[in-house]
Parts: sequence; structure tokens; C-alpha cells
Amino acid sequence: SAVISQKPSRDICQRGTSLTIQCQVDSQVTMMFWYRQQPGQSLTLIATANQGSEATYESGFVIDKFPISRPNLTFSTLTVSNMSPEDSSIYLCSVDRYNYGYTFGSGTRLTVV
Amino acid sequence: KQEVTQIPAALSVPEGENLVLNCSFTDSAIYNLQWFRQDPGKGLTSLLLIQSSQREQTSGRLNASLDKSSGRSTLYIAASQPGDSATYLCAVNPLGGADGLTFGKGTHLIIQP
Repeated sequence: SAVISQKPSRDICQRGTSLTIQCQVDSQVTMMFWYRQQPGQSLTLIATANQGSEATYESGFVIDKFPISRPNLTFSTLTVSNMSPEDSSIYLCSVDRYNYGYTFGSGTRLTVV
Repeated sequence: KQEVTQIPAALSVPEGENLVLNCSFTDSAIYNLQWFRQDPGKGLTSLLLIQSSQREQTSGRLNASLDKSSGRSTLYIAASQPGDSATYLCAVNPLGGADGLTFGKGTHLIIQP
């Protein structure tokens, strides 16, 4: 299955600032997915990122708050903008390897103070 | 909208017991179903992937079954060990495969030595 390198693994940020999370995949993929896991909760899909087009956001998530870049078929970034303590979560990227299922990055644990 | 429910939410058992974790989903139009393990503060590790045409998959002490028509899957863990302690997540991949996974809230499992 695909190997995804995600960084940073964790960060503590001041409210009002922004953090960019990076995911690098070891092979080309059409779509990359970004999820949020709030404390004690399950994973919620934020958006789907296709190379060469705008990301598609799920209900409750907007581009101004979570801008996504997808410059090529192996890389994507998610930015958490103008952070508040409510943004404290684990953020994960993922790819679908079709008959091999989804693979996830190791996650970014974000704490906003 | 697909909804995934996992029962029980938490389970604590002594080492050596055989366990059954349950997952149900509301829309049977799925491409596949995947079971994951998540250790505290970490990313997701894929355990088993069951395609919609399959009835079960096995890996070591783990066996997952799928009854698509009734919207149910079970994860069977044989001879549990303290190292099995983690949160187990069930996730459904819809037909079309471009919409990301829908997750249950997980079963938090503790195996007592």
C-alpha cells in the first residue's frame, strides 16, 4: 500500500495564526483526502483534493478556513487559518488505493492556545 | 446520507478472551468496508478490507465479516492480548469511490493483563 509522509506530527500554535500541514505520497494518486478528528470523536472528511482543480469541501468546511493546495500528483497541503482553540484536533491525510483500501498519514496533532 | 454505528462504544475484558465488535451502516450501496486500529494520539492502521462482493477476510487473529444486504459487519478478535488495546474504527467506502470514507465513532477496547 502507499506510504504517506505527513508533517508536522504535532504543533502548538497561538490563536489567530495559521498552520500548514504537508502530505507526501510515495506514488502518484488522483485524489487526496483530508480529515479532522476532534478530541474523543471519530474522523470527519474536510475536503477532497484533485490535482489541477479546486478542492471539494464537505458541508461545514470552507476554503477560507481550510485552504488546500494540490500542486502535483504526490503532494498536498492543508492550511488551518486564523486558528481558535476549537481547531485543536488531529488532522489526517489519506489516499484511496482502490482494491487495497485507504491509507492514512500518521496525523498532525494540533493544539491551539 | 450514510451513517455508520459501532457497538459497543467501549469494552474492557481480560486477556485471552475472544471478542466481537459490531458495525452497522444505513446504505448498502458500498464499494468496500475497512476496519482500522488507532492508538491514542496516532494515525490509523488498516487491519482488514472487505470488498462488497466478499463475505469475510482474515488476517492472523482477526476475522471480519460483511453482510451488505443487512448493513452489518463484525470484527472478530481471537485470543485477545494487552497489545490489542486500542480504538477500532469501521469505515464504509461508497460506490463511486470518490467521496472518501464514512467512519463510525469506534470501539475503545481495553485488554486487561
